[in-house]
Amino acid sequence: TQLLEQSPQFLSIQEGENLTVYCNSSSVFSSLQWYRQEPGEGPVLLVTVVTGGEVKKLKRLTFQFGDARKDSSLHITAAQPGDTGLYLCAGQFTGKLIFGQGTTLQVKP
Amino acid sequence: DSGVTQTPKHLITATGQRVTLRCSPRSGDLSVYWYQQSLDQGLQFLIQYYNGEERAKGNILERFSAQQFPDLHSELNLSSLELGDSALYFCASSRGGAGSSGNTIYFGEGSWLTVV
Repeated sequence: TQLLEQSPQFLSIQEGENLTVYCNSSSVFSSLQWYRQEPGEGPVLLVTVVTGGEVKKLKRLTFQFGDARKDSSLHITAAQPGDTGLYLCAGQFTGKLIFGQGTTLQVKP
Repeated sequence: DSGVTQTPKHLITATGQRVTLRCSPRSGDLSVYWYQQSLDQGLQFLIQYYNGEERAKGNILERFSAQQFPDLHSELNLSSLELGDSALYFCASSRGGAGSSGNTIYFGEGSWLTVV
């Protein structure tokens, strides 16, 4: 079983649509991070959320950390083809950075 | 460009063989991490070194070993290779340890290993 469960695993949408990706755990995390990975490249950090209930915005991307610090969400408004990629959440657990399985997003023009 | 350099980028080898993957961290980074990414297992943490010493261990097989040298570069050694070891192996680096507040981890582009 995964410490961090992401849903959905795959998402294919049309340009302009909104979407939300979820990252859930039964464990409490001091912080959660979201990464984006494109084919042939390593994951790149998008944001770190630290405080329960925290909301951070990065252009059309909105990240939220759950009040209990066990879950997080990533919402993309008006998705663009350039948003296509693998989105990964990650959290510190016993000194290790553990990743969820990832959500593969495809945005069609 | 993250500043983390991994070699080789691609490697094809036979079962039973041994390979070494090399990583140069970003300038000034003391921590090096190794991850394995496969389609069915996702991104799995293998091991972390900080300033030459092992700091944390994940799901690393006994056939695998790693070290960080005094110049801070790291090597991941994979031996007695099996078909299931085929994966993308990432090295990452950061200034401090994984638990450090505000510590950003930068990933290299990975080494594709195919075992045939």
